[in-house]
Formats: sequence, C-alpha cells, structure tokens
Amino acid sequence: AQTVTQSQPEMSVQEAETVTLSCTYDTSENNYYLFWYKQPPSRQMILVIRQEAYKQQNATENRFSVNFQKAAKSFSLKISDSQLGDTAMYFCALPANTDKLIFGTGTRLQVFP
Amino acid sequence: EAGVAQSPRYKIIEKRQSVAFWCNPISGHATLYWYQQILGQGPKLLIQFQNNGVVDDSQLPKDRFSAERLKGVDSTLKIQPAKLEDSAVYLCASSLAGDAGGAYGYTFGSGTRLTVV
Repeated sequence: AQTVTQSQPEMSVQEAETVTLSCTYDTSENNYYLFWYKQPPSRQMILVIRQEAYKQQNATENRFSVNFQKAAKSFSLKISDSQLGDTAMYFCALPANTDKLIFGTGTRLQVFP
Repeated sequence: EAGVAQSPRYKIIEKRQSVAFWCNPISGHATLYWYQQILGQGPKLLIQFQNNGVVDDSQLPKDRFSAERLKGVDSTLKIQPAKLEDSAVYLCASSLAGDAGGAYGYTFGSGTRLTVV
C-alpha cells in the first residue's frame, strides 16, 4: 500500500529566506506523479508543484522547487525568497490505485516578517 | 474557469442530527471525490465517483454516510446520524477522467467545516 510521511509538523522561516519541507513515501509503482499542495486558512487545497517520477530533472515553479530522490523515495519542497503569503499547511501527496490521492499529515509553515 | 463550489461553508449540529453537503465540480470533470480532513491530519478519501458511478467507497462509513452524484454533475454527501468524531472539514475535488494521478492533479473546493456538539 502507498504511504506518505511528513516528519515536520511545524516549520518557521523569516521572510526572504529559504525553507525546505521534507516528505518520504512508499509505492510499488514505477511510473507515478508526486504533488505538493498548499492549504491556507481558506481551506482550499492549491496545487503548488508536481513531479513525474520518470523524469530525472527536478520540477521548478517560480520560487518553488523539489528535490526528488527516487531511489530513496524522498520528495522535499524548497521555497526560496519566502513571502508572508506562503504561510499555510503544506501536504505531500501520492496517487494510489483508482487515482485517489494519499496525503501526508502536513507541515504547518509560518513565515515571519 | 469556475472552480469547485461547495456549500455550506460552515455547519454546527448536535450529535445524532443529520447534515448534507453539496458540491458542484468543474464543468467537464468526470471524476469527483469527497475527502474528510480531521484536524491535524491530511485529507482521506471517503468516496470517488466516475460520472455517476462509484469507483471507490471503501473508506465510507456506510452505516451513517451516504453520497450520490446525480446526472454525473453535482454531488451530495450526507451524514445521518452524526457523531462527535465526524467533526472535520469535508473537501470536494474533481479531475479530468481519472487524471488525479497524471498531469493535472485535482482541483479542490474550499470545503465545509462541520462541528458536531
């Protein structure tokens, strides 16, 4: 069965600094996607970035990038030049069979001015 | 493009009462999901529809929860009778047919926060 583990319940970072959120997962699939979602207080889950497992190149979306280590089953999110609007819960997610998403327990990120 | 619409935004009920949540997915999205997110946890799938058929309801407590998706568009999730442990955020999401594992991921609604007292 697929599992997703986020070992950092809370993180904090100063505005303009860089922070890395960790995620490990387990799957028996060889081709799959991985996702990072952001959940602000408004509760809506917003897709931040996706990674295709068969691509060796790490995905990048503006200030957000991932460090994808397929062999180690690790998928960390790096946020550069942190902004106050980045304050939110961040969830790592992995599709399981039937395309449902398996989520980790989340990391609460607080960006301080 | 309009997003996934959910209502109500908040609901407070007493235990043993019933409650219903409504979801309108993005137009053209064949797959609709209901997730339960208990405080401090990640969302967990309750039920998945493909058009108006159920794909996965293995985690749905069928003695008290029910869901339907009429005409393959809107969906309603009902709890009857509610228990204290049902207090959670109920998120609806939609995707192109079975594409949650592919290029587009899901689009989520803003959820309904249910408090059972």
